[in-house]
Amino acid sequence: EAGVAQSPRYKIIEKRQSVAFWCNPISGHATLYWYQQILGQGPKLLIQFQNNGVVDDSQLPKDRFSAERLKGVDSTLKIQPAKLEDSAVYLCASIKGAWTGETQYFGPGTRLLVL
Amino acid sequence: QKEVEQNSGPLSVPEGAIASLNCTYSDRGSQSFFWYRQYSGKSPELIMFIYSNGDKEDGRFTAQLNKASQYVSLLIRDSQPSDSATYLCAVDNSGYALNFGKGTSLLVTP
Repeated sequence: EAGVAQSPRYKIIEKRQSVAFWCNPISGHATLYWYQQILGQGPKLLIQFQNNGVVDDSQLPKDRFSAERLKGVDSTLKIQPAKLEDSAVYLCASIKGAWTGETQYFGPGTRLLVL
Repeated sequence: QKEVEQNSGPLSVPEGAIASLNCTYSDRGSQSFFWYRQYSGKSPELIMFIYSNGDKEDGRFTAQLNKASQYVSLLIRDSQPSDSATYLCAVDNSGYALNFGKGTSLLVTP
């Protein structure tokens, strides 16, 4: 079974530029999460999708971040415009159902550096 | 904001010893508790999960949960240098997505 795929793996941009990340969860997984992990911190949830609907985006900085999962499969996360403090690893994770008690499977992450 | 607290460490133990990692949480409605291991530059991987009070053992790992004290711990017996990593405690947010602690850095010295 293929794992969670993410691209790109690394991205360097200048502040005020825009950037987009892509995630393809494990096949058949209904719930998809985007996390932001700043160096030395634990992952922080940005947005949770169940199929193509948003379950929780309370911690997503909506003035600059957006995310979509149009067909309930893969997802994109966009930052526009980027700030220095957005430098982090962006992790995508998925679970088969909708219950938080299920094991989350993480992708390899996208490392973003904003200069 | 519901909190998950961990000592950031580093926790240093000699090879073969028991490593004890601790975590406290603030949300009394939490039902699911996870320990993830994260090697430097890698994504988190699940080590253990526990839902009920008491102990749960899996090989060299034992998770302990005390809901009354809002406390969860991870014991690693016969620690190996390959166990050196950051250990993340994660707690469900009253049935919604997980809240992660900042992680405890573990160093196992030969």
